[in-house]
Amino acid sequence: AQSVTQPDIHITVSEGASLELRCNYSYGATPYLFWYVQSPGQGLQLLLKYFSGDTLVQGIKGFEAEFKRSQSSFNLRKPSVHWSDAAEYFCAVGATGTASKLTFGTGTRLQVTL
Amino acid sequence: DADVTQTPRNRITKTGKRIMLECSQTKGHDRMYWYRQDPGLGLRLIYYSFDVKDINKGEISDGYSVSRQAQAKFSLSLESAIPNQTALYFCATSDAQGGFPTLLFGQGTRLTVV
Repeated sequence: AQSVTQPDIHITVSEGASLELRCNYSYGATPYLFWYVQSPGQGLQLLLKYFSGDTLVQGIKGFEAEFKRSQSSFNLRKPSVHWSDAAEYFCAVGATGTASKLTFGTGTRLQVTL
Repeated sequence: DADVTQTPRNRITKTGKRIMLECSQTKGHDRMYWYRQDPGLGLRLIYYSFDVKDINKGEISDGYSVSRQAQAKFSLSLESAIPNQTALYFCATSDAQGGFPTLLFGQGTRLTVV
């Protein structure tokens, strides 16, 4: 079965600084990978996804993520964080033959200081 | 109107009471899901449905039941609520297109069982 680890529970960055949120997955074949963001009081919104092809994926709100098979990672990055990026971020993995069920990580809460 | 609507948004109920959380969608998606979110645990799948006649248990279905009344409606019931069912509940939908479904989430229902 697939699994996802988000090692950082909480990260604080200054506005304008760069951001990298870590995600490691466990799965024997090529996974389907997602990043979702949850703003306070809101549902989850898809930031980006990786299915195949180019390993650097661009998403909404200036986010990108890079799939690295050798490291089993799918880290989320943003060059310059805005105060409105403060939220909780979830990495998720899906796999073929799992009836399209996603496995979510435990989330990383991002705080942005001004 | 939101694509995925959950009602109620907040609910406080007493131990032993029956409660129903409702979800409706306007996307015309066949697939609907119920997830539970707990701090530090991420999202866990309770039930999912691929069409009106197809209902499947997720990883934490004990104590819950569902009803798919129509393509657009998927309800989650707690037959006899208990305090450890206090959580944030999300409904999600997806279509069956393109490799792996991308979930579209509602805004969540915060349930407190006292």
